[in-house]
Amino acid sequence: ETGVTQTPRHLVMGMTNKKSLKCEQHLGHNAMYWYKQSAKKPLELMFVYSLEERVENNSVPSRFSPECPNSSHLFLHLHTLQPEDSALYLCASSQDQGRLAGGRTDTQYFGPGTRLTVL
Amino acid sequence: AQKITQTQPGMFVQEKEAVTLDCTYDTSDQSYGLFWYKQPSSGEMIFLIYQGSYDEQNATEGRYSLNFQKARKSANLVISASQLGDSAMYFCAMREGSGATNKLIFGTGTLLAVQP
Repeated sequence: ETGVTQTPRHLVMGMTNKKSLKCEQHLGHNAMYWYKQSAKKPLELMFVYSLEERVENNSVPSRFSPECPNSSHLFLHLHTLQPEDSALYLCASSQDQGRLAGGRTDTQYFGPGTRLTVL
Repeated sequence: AQKITQTQPGMFVQEKEAVTLDCTYDTSDQSYGLFWYKQPSSGEMIFLIYQGSYDEQNATEGRYSLNFQKARKSANLVISASQLGDSAMYFCAMREGSGATNKLIFGTGTLLAVQP
């Protein structure tokens, strides 16, 4: 298996449910990301993990809880979501080169996404 | 603040013709990277091409080329010999040149439809 995989591909949940999204990368990268893509809005960065430490959190509501147990796996735990949280959730990975700014090696590779619907 | 602008919500192109997708950016950094991604209806964001701010040559990857005009802060994607499979959303993104993380700023995208 290659690249970045995400499961499930589709998820429908009620506002009181608890679910988790899973992302796995097979590229040997050391950084992983969660993005949210809502209709007619640019991709929004939610969380960044580099070397398994969370280094960025763009003020995401606490009903989204990330977990990065190792450099290959990333989870997004969901609880008491709202209908406006319905979106495509994309995971990405990259090889963090530190401060070699603007390098192609920083390219982020994305998974296929989980399309989430909150009822 | 960094910003990416894609002014074309949608574009049509005839199969086998070339098409240019516009992207302008705004940054005060001297060092930055520009990326183009393709997103088919399946949802996956597919990396297409990269241009570094210090690269003197325009980037090319197969049928994709990037028309980089640094003074105008534009990084337009040119797709030559369009194919039906090129129909998708296309996103321009920029990596800031400083900071603790590899952070991409995305534009709103352009929906390309290739007609037979």
